[in-house]
Amino acid sequence: AQSVAQPEDQVNVAEGNPLTVKCTYSVSGNPYLFWYVQYPNRGLQFLLKYITGDNLVKGSYGFEAEFNKSQTSFHLKKPSALVSDSALYFCAVRDSNMFSGGYNKLIFGAGTRLAVHP
Amino acid sequence: ETGVTQSPTHLIKTRGQQVTLRCSSQSGHNTVSWYQQALGQGPQFIFQYYREEENGRGNFPPRFSGLQFPNYSSELNVNALELDDSALYLCASSSGQGTGTQYFGPGTRLLVL
Repeated sequence: AQSVAQPEDQVNVAEGNPLTVKCTYSVSGNPYLFWYVQYPNRGLQFLLKYITGDNLVKGSYGFEAEFNKSQTSFHLKKPSALVSDSALYFCAVRDSNMFSGGYNKLIFGAGTRLAVHP
Repeated sequence: ETGVTQSPTHLIKTRGQQVTLRCSSQSGHNTVSWYQQALGQGPQFIFQYYREEENGRGNFPPRFSGLQFPNYSSELNVNALELDDSALYLCASSSGQGTGTQYFGPGTRLLVL
């Protein structure tokens, strides 16, 4: 079964420092990976995706993610964190197995809360 | 903002009642997916509609049903509400039978008492 794991419930970082939010995945076939961010009482906002190509993907608001096939990871990074980056971050993989109940459904991790301190 | 809208924003129902949630997709998108996000968890896929047909379904009982209209807007209906149905319900629109990026609306928060 295809799955996503976010091993950290919370990540704390000081403003101006680099941040990393970790994600590992398990899929059959080529992975289509996504990062979304959720602010309090809001829906999910798309940050970036990996479909194919360069292992370093650049997205919105200065975020980037590094795809590592050998480690089955897709970690979200930002060189310099802002207090306004504090939010809940979700990694997701697209399940394209039409026999698993959802063609092109997204399977989400449990989320990682990022807290950026001044 | 994504251009995906949902109504209502909040809803309170009692156990056993029925509820209808609505979603308007982003212009140019023909696929709508619905997710349930319980408190403290990641979103769980309910089902997806592509050109007015159900295109995939997650592990939810038949009392969760949906519709998609010719303008690609969508409804999620839940019958016989249970306390565990309390959650944030998110819809996402995309193009190309769901192969495109899914853009989410703000969600409807449902509380079942």
